[in-house]
Amino acid sequence: DIQMTQSPSSLSASVGDRVTITCRASQSISNYLNWYQQKPGKAPKLLIYAASSLQSGVPSRFSGSGSGTDFTLTISSLQPEDFATYYCQQSYSTSWTFGQGTKVEIK
Amino acid sequence: QVQLQESGPGLVKPSGTLSLTCAVSGGSISSSNWWSWVRQPPGKGLEWIGEIYHSGSTNYNPSLKSRVTISVDKSKNQFSLKLSSVTAADTAVYYCARKEGYCSGGSCGYYFDYWGQGTLVTVSS
Repeated sequence: DIQMTQSPSSLSASVGDRVTITCRASQSISNYLNWYQQKPGKAPKLLIYAASSLQSGVPSRFSGSGSGTDFTLTISSLQPEDFATYYCQQSYSTSWTFGQGTKVEIK
Repeated sequence: QVQLQESGPGLVKPSGTLSLTCAVSGGSISSSNWWSWVRQPPGKGLEWIGEIYHSGSTNYNPSLKSRVTISVDKSKNQFSLKLSSVTAADTAVYYCARKEGYCSGGSCGYYFDYWGQGTLVTVSS
């Protein structure tokens, strides 16, 4: 299996801050990397696919970059509704694997 | 708008078999999509369990493969999960999800775009 490692595991930030979350794959996955947002008690929601493509309906303050083994999710200006846990997921090979999650909390 | 809804017992005894069903509405399970199960232990991350195509083809997580069976019922537009020999470690919220394919910049991949609301299954005597 391809292992996905996110950093940090959690972070505290204020509304309006720029936030960056990193995801590293245990081997090259090209750009087969997706990002999801999960709020407590809810199912994950797709934000970014193919490392940098914004899913329809997702605000443009979310962006993704990277290729190979290193990827980032950036929130340009954190909004109150963005406090949640974020997961990366590789779609390079079955079995699909997720990162352990990054919890974004209010400072 | 595709909707998925999980159903099944919320409590399963140790060594027993966990059985869940995912009903698909607003779309056909015979579309060109794979249908997956993903679980999340309380307070932990997401783990992909396996997936099925309407033809009956399946892929499973190697770590669970010996205990997992996923099946499809096209007449009812639903698919199901069976996980045998469960232990407390199998306590989790179980989600069903649709896997969609995409092509971007010359490469084609997959993402999970529609999810059920999730159902908590507790393994306890």
